[in-house]
Amino acid sequence: DIQMTQSPSSLSASVGDRVTITCRASQSISRYLNWYQQRPGKAPKLLIYETSSLQSGVPSRFSGSGSGTGFTLAISSLQPEDFATYYCQQSHSLPLTFGGGTTVHVK
Amino acid sequence: ELQLVESGGAVVQPGGSLRLSCRGSGFPFDDFAMHWVRQIPGKGLEWVSLTTWDGGNTFYADSVKGRFTVSRDNSENSMFLQMSSLTPDDTALYHCAKARTSDQYFYFGLDVWGQGTSVTVSS
Repeated sequence: DIQMTQSPSSLSASVGDRVTITCRASQSISRYLNWYQQRPGKAPKLLIYETSSLQSGVPSRFSGSGSGTGFTLAISSLQPEDFATYYCQQSHSLPLTFGGGTTVHVK
Repeated sequence: ELQLVESGGAVVQPGGSLRLSCRGSGFPFDDFAMHWVRQIPGKGLEWVSLTTWDGGNTFYADSVKGRFTVSRDNSENSMFLQMSSLTPDDTALYHCAKARTSDQYFYFGLDVWGQGTSVTVSS
């Protein structure tokens, strides 16, 4: 199975900050990497698929980059609704696997 | 509105069985592969199972293989997860989710998720 490692596991930030989250795969997954946002008590929401493609309706302050084993999710200017937990997920092969999550807290 | 609604979660004893359901609406259900993903409260996400658009192919995580069976009834826009030989490690919120495009099973993410149905395995 492909192991996905996210860092940091949590971070504190303020509205307007630029935030970056890193995800590393245990083997090359090409660009088959997706990012999800989950707010408390809600279902995960697809933000970015195939490393850098923005899902319909997702604000352009979210962006993704990377390839192979290293990937990044960036939020250019954090908004109040962005305080949530973010998960990366590889879709290169089954079983699909997720990173452990990064929780973005209010500083 | 694209929507998935799960049901069937319950408290069950170790060794017991349970059948979860997932009903879709707002999209052509029979065009898409469907997944089950579970989440232990306060923890991360674990992929459980996948069924192709017609139910002809199914895939499972090793942790549930041989105990869980996924199926679907496209005439009812529904997918099911039959769970047996349950253990406390199966305690989780079970989400169903839809493959983002109809031409692949999982490559490009899961774009619609249900709120989940809670399964607790405890004596």
